[in-house]
Amino acid sequence: RKEVEQDPGPFNVPEGATVAFNCTYSNSASQSFFWYRQDCRKEPKLLMSVYSSGNEDGRFTAQLNRASQYISLLIRDSKLSDSATYLCVVAFSGGYNKLIFGAGTRLAVHP
Amino acid sequence: EPEVTQTPSHQVTQMGQEVILRCVPISNHLYFYWYRQILGQKVEFLVSFYNNEISEKSEIFDDQFSVERPDGSNFTLKIRSTKLEDSAMYFCASAGRGYSNQPQHFGDGTRLSIL
Repeated sequence: RKEVEQDPGPFNVPEGATVAFNCTYSNSASQSFFWYRQDCRKEPKLLMSVYSSGNEDGRFTAQLNRASQYISLLIRDSKLSDSATYLCVVAFSGGYNKLIFGAGTRLAVHP
Repeated sequence: EPEVTQTPSHQVTQMGQEVILRCVPISNHLYFYWYRQILGQKVEFLVSFYNNEISEKSEIFDDQFSVERPDGSNFTLKIRSTKLEDSAMYFCASAGRGYSNQPQHFGDGTRLSIL
């Protein structure tokens, strides 16, 4: 079983749409969770950390369900500039913060 | 905003040659990392480095790989005898602390092409 699994997509949505991505992780010892975005052939950039109580940053909302080992990202009012690959990332305490990446979910927002 | 810088942006090397990839982490960061991403695949952890020594490494990081922090600013990844399968994007990252909830900041990568 993959350590971090994501639907690869692509998700093709019109501007203004709401889109949700899901992610599951296999290691229950995972301690910290992040969403990064990656543009084509660029570096991963931190989008947001994911907290147990769920958190929101503008149009982006992240949720964590530790019991189900499930993470989600909701993007509201999609913009053309949101087109990218969204990477679900987990880290383990005591592991010097080694990051384990999912393969990513591709989002294409069209006019 | 401070950033991680990497050089060169693109390195083309003959198979069997040595290559050194360079990184300048964010100045007050203490934890340093290398990741790689083969084209079309996920980002993979290679090695973490703290207090002038390797703290963790993956199976990918075999004897052909080494890391060094030769001075107070640079952090390098050396591949001694490159193979075709080493072709990938290599990302350096740094973090202020080693806690798992500390986000890592990535450089813009070095594209390594082995011929």
